[in-house]
Amino acid sequence: AQSVTQPDIHITVSEGASLELRCNYSYGATPYLFWYVQSPGQGLQLLLKYFSGDTLVQGIKGFEAEFKRSQSSFNLRKPSVHWSDAAEYFCAVPSGGATNKLIFGTGTLLAVQP
Amino acid sequence: DGGITQSPKYLFRKEGQNVTLSCEQNLNHDAMYWYRQDPGQGLRLIYYSQIVNDFQKGDIAEGYSVSREKKESFPLTVTSAQKNPTAFYLCASSSPSGRARVSYNEQFFGPGTRLTVL
Repeated sequence: AQSVTQPDIHITVSEGASLELRCNYSYGATPYLFWYVQSPGQGLQLLLKYFSGDTLVQGIKGFEAEFKRSQSSFNLRKPSVHWSDAAEYFCAVPSGGATNKLIFGTGTLLAVQP
Repeated sequence: DGGITQSPKYLFRKEGQNVTLSCEQNLNHDAMYWYRQDPGQGLRLIYYSQIVNDFQKGDIAEGYSVSREKKESFPLTVTSAQKNPTAFYLCASSSPSGRARVSYNEQFFGPGTRLTVL
């Protein structure tokens, strides 16, 4: 069955430092992969998505993610974190079959310290 | 602007009462979803609907009910049978007509409703 794992529940980085959030997936075929961000008390916003082609995907707010099939990973990166990036980040993969449901990871809560 | 609206933003309910959360979208999406979010548990699917007049149970449907009479609307009722209803509820939609397959899976989210049972 399809699944997605975010190993890090909580990460703290200093403003201006680089960031990498991990996402590992289990999927029977070439997956579609998504990263969403959620600010406190808000809905989820799509950061970026991968479905084919270039394995390095650019998203909004300066984020990028790299699809690595050999490692079943789709890690999210940002070279320099801003205080406004403090939020919860979710990785997602389609559940497969005839529906367009998504399976979400449990999320990584990012704190940014001055 | 197209988007998804949820109302109300905050909702308080007494134990034993049913309450209905509203979700409306003007994105012309076929599929709509309801999620429940609790701290540390990510998003759990309650119900989803792929087309008008049809809906399916998700992973945690017990104590909830939905209807899909219009393409734009997918209200969620939290019934008194739901033992622990206090949570943040998110509505989403997907699959705009005529778009590429990747958009078929991409979901767009509303701002959420926080339900508190008193």
